[in-house]
Amino acid sequence: QKEVEQNSGPLSVPEGAIASLNCTYSDRGSQSFFWYRQYSGKSPELIMFIYSNGDKEDGRFTAQLNKASQYVSLLIRDSQPSDSATYLCARGSSNTGKLIFGQGTTLQVKP
Amino acid sequence: NAGVMQNPRHLVRRRGQEARLRCSPMKGHSHVYWYRQLPEEGLKFMVYLQKENIIDESGMPKERFSAEFPKEGPSILRIQQVVRGDSAAYFCASSPMTGGLNTEAFFGQGTRLTVV
Repeated sequence: QKEVEQNSGPLSVPEGAIASLNCTYSDRGSQSFFWYRQYSGKSPELIMFIYSNGDKEDGRFTAQLNKASQYVSLLIRDSQPSDSATYLCARGSSNTGKLIFGQGTTLQVKP
Repeated sequence: NAGVMQNPRHLVRRRGQEARLRCSPMKGHSHVYWYRQLPEEGLKFMVYLQKENIIDESGMPKERFSAEFPKEGPSILRIQQVVRGDSAAYFCASSPMTGGLNTEAFFGQGTRLTVV
């Protein structure tokens, strides 16, 4: 079992819709989670981090964490073609700060 | 530009040569991480360094790969006797602190290594 699992997609949504990206993790002790966006050929850029159960909102983005179900998600409201990218979910290591990444989900937002 | 600086951006090496990848962390950051991204795959942790210390190298291949972060100068990831399977994007990230629930790591632009 992979430590962090994501559906590789592609996930295709129409412009203006809500895109829902999901991630599960195996280590129950995991406390912090990060969502990165990576455009093709570019470096990952941090969108959000979350460490408390529930929702965390930042603009059009909402991260959701459910530790009991070991599940993290990222919602993107009013999706734009410019949101088309690969979204990487990662869990943080509390003692070293290293990140364990999932495979990434490719999102396609169609005009 | 006060971001994480990596160079070179692109590196071509013949099989058997050495590759040296450099990373200068963001100003004020003393923690450096190296990740590798193979084509069509996610990022894999390789090594975590602080100044003059390797803290966690659990993701480093046992042979041919080494890393350092000297007191002065950038962090270096060195790959000896490269093989075609080493072709990948190598990313460096830096952070200002260890651990903590919201330790944000900022990534450099990466070095794309191609072994021919």
